[in-house]
Amino acid sequence: EIVLTQSPDTLSLSPGERATLSCRASESVTSSYLAWYQQKPGQAPRLLIYGASSRANGVPDRFSGSGSGTDFTLTISRLEPEDFAAYYCQQYAGSRMYSFGQGTKLEIK
Amino acid sequence: QVTLRESGPALVKPTQTLTLACTFSGFSLTTSGMCVSWIRQPPGKPLEWLARIDWDDDKFYNTSLKTRLTISKDTSKNQVVLTMTNMDPVDTATYYCARLIRGGYASGSTDAFDIWGQGTVVTVSS
Repeated sequence: EIVLTQSPDTLSLSPGERATLSCRASESVTSSYLAWYQQKPGQAPRLLIYGASSRANGVPDRFSGSGSGTDFTLTISRLEPEDFAAYYCQQYAGSRMYSFGQGTKLEIK
Repeated sequence: QVTLRESGPALVKPTQTLTLACTFSGFSLTTSGMCVSWIRQPPGKPLEWLARIDWDDDKFYNTSLKTRLTISKDTSKNQVVLTMTNMDPVDTATYYCARLIRGGYASGSTDAFDIWGQGTVVTVSS
């Protein structure tokens, strides 16, 4: 099973700043199968990025994804108040199993 | 508009079997590439993928829970059902169903969980 490790666990930033979230896989992941989700308290997760770098429908262009192999990054170029939430990366390696990272909580500084 | 809605008991006793239904609209599980998964989240913890069923009735399970899980579909009702046997307090969680469209099969494919239900809270306690 591929394990995804996200860092940091918590990121404290101010609105207007740039956020960089990391997701590292224990084995190489096909980029087509790497996604990022945003989850706010009491809500279901929302798909932000799929295929490592493609934005889902309706996602603002301040969100971008990059990376390949075992290292992937979600970048929020300029934080808006509504961006403070938990973020999860997720992979599918073709082994008939999916896994999620443990999450990064993005909080207001 | 695509929607999914989970339903099932809010409280189950230890050792009992949990049965959850995911009723969806706006797409068909007879369309090539369409899949539905179940994912859960214990309070304050990360997401955990449980199972997936595809348009062609192929089924995928979390290997650590495989012996306890069964996923099935009723295309006439637009419904996917998950059963989990031998429930334990550690299975207390919010259970979500979500759609996934396999890449290369249908319009809008992402190979990711693009639409989620609002979740249903299940507590396991005697």
